[in-house]
Amino acid sequence: DTGVSQDPRHKITKRGQNVTFRCDPISEHNRLYWYRQTLGQGPEFLTYFQNEAQLEKSRLLSDRFSAERPKGSFSTLEIQRTEQGDSAMYLCASSMNSNQPQHFGDGTRLSIL
Amino acid sequence: GQQVMQIPQYQHVQEGEDFTTYCNSSTTLSNIQWYKQRPGGHPVFLIQLVKSGEVKKQKRLTFQFGEAKKNSSLHITATQTTDVGTYFCAGESGTYKYIFGTGTRLKVLA
Repeated sequence: DTGVSQDPRHKITKRGQNVTFRCDPISEHNRLYWYRQTLGQGPEFLTYFQNEAQLEKSRLLSDRFSAERPKGSFSTLEIQRTEQGDSAMYLCASSMNSNQPQHFGDGTRLSIL
Repeated sequence: GQQVMQIPQYQHVQEGEDFTTYCNSSTTLSNIQWYKQRPGGHPVFLIQLVKSGEVKKQKRLTFQFGEAKKNSSLHITATQTTDVGTYFCAGESGTYKYIFGTGTRLKVLA
């Protein structure tokens, strides 16, 4: 069990640029979640996958955000045309199945200049 | 949409004192999870509660799930400096996604 890994750890980019983050869940974990966390707040649900199927996307999420999990293993989260308000820590978590403990990665910290 | 609130937002205690954080959901929950996040770290799973009125203990930590499955609490007996961090509840209401609470940040003064 090597844990959930996320790449990169930090990303600094200019407003308007596109960014892509990667998450490698614990192997054999079918469920994968993406969250966003800002300072002093709890993780905010973005989307989740059951294997390769994206089951739900937060209604608060704009169309600039898209996520994939093509083979039911790793996942990517892309943000297009980044804005200042996108600055946050993006957390990935995986679990064996629904209603199971979530294991979080260390996150990708995004800073928009 | 579903909302999960926690109180208090902050709590400073002297080492050895007890600590309690309360979690309230706007909707009935199927289950609730509790996580601890150390400063600069990621959330770490503590426990999951499923049944109405359920009580679970982990050493000095006691977790309760309300009878109506809309609230929960975490109580720490005789806090230690290692208990420092932010405690989050996360509720699931049948949609298989978890909504995290606002968190309670605990500081323990030695």
